[in-house]
Amino acid sequence: SQKIEQNSEALNIQEGKTATLTCNYTNYSPAYLQWYRQDPGRGPVFLLLIRENEKEKRKERLKVTFDTTLKQSLFHITASQPADSATYLCAPPPEPGNTGKLIFGQGTTLQVKP
Amino acid sequence: KAGVTQTPRYLIKTRGQQVTLSCSPISGHRSVSWYQQTPGQGLQFLFEYFSETQRNKGNFPGRFSGRQFSNSRSEMNVSTLELGDSALYLCASSLATGRNSGANVLTFGAGSRLTVL
Repeated sequence: SQKIEQNSEALNIQEGKTATLTCNYTNYSPAYLQWYRQDPGRGPVFLLLIRENEKEKRKERLKVTFDTTLKQSLFHITASQPADSATYLCAPPPEPGNTGKLIFGQGTTLQVKP
Repeated sequence: KAGVTQTPRYLIKTRGQQVTLSCSPISGHRSVSWYQQTPGQGLQFLFEYFSETQRNKGNFPGRFSGRQFSNSRSEMNVSTLELGDSALYLCASSLATGRNSGANVLTFGAGSRLTVL
């Protein structure tokens, strides 16, 4: 079955630096990946979706890349701010036959220090 | 447009009791998914309903059940509560028609925080 992995260790960076989070997948080739942000005690919020034929996608200070050779998606936050501190989740599309069943990675917690 | 609404936001129960959580999806969304999140854990998929039918189910015991009504509103029920059921229960809605990637983007509610004593 498809498997997705995110770095479970928290990422601590200094304000103003670029944060880079990783989402690796094995056993399959997803047609797209979704990225969400989750603040403590709240539901995740959708940020970006990148398709396999899109090498890169941007939204304000956010940038997502999709490398089908490395089987990896990278999520970048440039000029990071303390308000960017949260857990970031990636999710592949539902497996064939399981439309509607979205499984998330464990998430990577980002802490931006002022 | 209104977002996903979950009620109640917080509740406290004791072991052995049962609980019912409610979720009102975004208008037009026919898919409702439920997730459990315990402290320090990721989102665990409980089940997904589409047009009043349970379409997908996660690896949870039968004490966890749900249903969806004709207006797409959904409820989940946990019977014979255990201490380990203390968690944030999240509901999310989507189009989830499978026709395109955007249809699988989830909009989450704020969650229902359940504490079992």
